[in-house]
Amino acid sequence: QSALTQPRSVSGSPGQSVTISCTGTRSDVGGYNYVSWYQQHPGKAPKLIIYDVTKRPLGVPDRFSGSKSGNTASLTISGLQAEDDGDYYCCSHAGSYTFYVFGTGTKVTVL
Amino acid sequence: EVQLVQSGAEVKQPGESLRISCRGSGYTFTAYWIAWVRQMPGKGLEWMAIIYPYDSDTRYSPSFQGQVTISADESISTAYLQWTSLKASDTAMYYCARHYGPPDSIFEFWGQGTLVTVSS
Repeated sequence: QSALTQPRSVSGSPGQSVTISCTGTRSDVGGYNYVSWYQQHPGKAPKLIIYDVTKRPLGVPDRFSGSKSGNTASLTISGLQAEDDGDYYCCSHAGSYTFYVFGTGTKVTVL
Repeated sequence: EVQLVQSGAEVKQPGESLRISCRGSGYTFTAYWIAWVRQMPGKGLEWMAIIYPYDSDTRYSPSFQGQVTISADESISTAYLQWTSLKASDTAMYYCARHYGPPDSIFEFWGQGTLVTVSS
């Protein structure tokens, strides 16, 4: 099972919006509404920011939103802030043999 | 407050065995799964395995099946990840995370990570 494909990096100025794609197959992203997203700052543990494609955990700003179309899930960060700088990973359920697969990761740079 | 506290950094030689731990607090330990995730230096996240402490039901990634063993002791709210013979390629940060269980992909709360270094 290969990792889900994400762009290596995206960037934007404060206040702008950026969107990160997460492309898989019918066996993972396209087959289930079990996509989650994680933010990771350098030297820190990942943090859950989106689950079940579109849901936000308590305490996560509504600047973060998720969506899915076909085999591609997306994370949009609206109104970029300096603290959004970091790495972002998607994850999807991938069936009853592989179970889970993470994305390759995207570095978000706030200019 | 939900917390997952992992054991400290380890430096081991190739061929040695190792067990690292993850203690949960602030919630009913047996009500949620515990997942293990590897992050090699400068690389991305890789799902390894999950365990349900209530009955020790386990699932392994095909990539890690047979390479590691996970277990849990509900009496002390602790999950474990162990190796019988470490390799240099096992050098990585290992995270535990509270998980909702299959099929959901919710790694909800994370431990601080345990750095494992394998070198001769």
